[in-house]
Amino acid sequence: SYELTQPLSVSVALGQTATITCGGDNIGSNSVHWYQQKPGQAPVLVIYTDTKRPSEIPERFAGSNSGNTATLTIYRVQAEDEADYYCHVWDSSTVVFGGGTKLTVL
Amino acid sequence: QVQLVESGGGVVQPGRSLRLSCVVSGFTFSTYGMHWVRQAPGKGLDWVATIWYDGTKQYYADSVKGRFTVSRDNSKNTLFLQMNSLRVEDTAVYYCARGLQHPAYWGPGTLVTVSS
Repeated sequence: SYELTQPLSVSVALGQTATITCGGDNIGSNSVHWYQQKPGQAPVLVIYTDTKRPSEIPERFAGSNSGNTATLTIYRVQAEDEADYYCHVWDSSTVVFGGGTKLTVL
Repeated sequence: QVQLVESGGGVVQPGRSLRLSCVVSGFTFSTYGMHWVRQAPGKGLDWVATIWYDGTKQYYADSVKGRFTVSRDNSKNTLFLQMNSLRVEDTAVYYCARGLQHPAYWGPGTLVTVSS
């Protein structure tokens, strides 16, 4: 079965840039989506189809996908960005989530 | 506005059954595929099952195949998850989510605890 690999944790200073990776075999040939989840809340879609951003998500959130790695980049990180982030792939019959990355804002 | 609300969770003994419901509003339910996704305490997101907009196709994670059944009643805007032969490892918050490729709307979840 297809697997997505994320770092367990990423730390970033307030106002700096955070990069969260999602590794998978030839993941660049799939559409990758990203979710933010804060404690006690349901996940929120922040990036879909590699690079697209829902209208309510700040422009600071960006995505890319190539080769064996998809990346979520958060520019000018704010305190409210501290959360768990999950990458996700849907291949028409199976849903796969990465293990999640805890983003800590210092 | 789009709303999804799960219900039916609770405490159940191993081997017993439970049926979850997800009532939706604010959109045309019959035109969207739906997922069930769960999250064990302190763990990550874990896909459970998917059903097409018209109910003609269902897909399941290997961990629940043969025990769980996803269904829907488009006339009642309701998604279901019938869970049989429950195991301790099925303990989780269960979310329903709208849309097949990248579900953009999720319910708040309902907690299922399997314990003797």
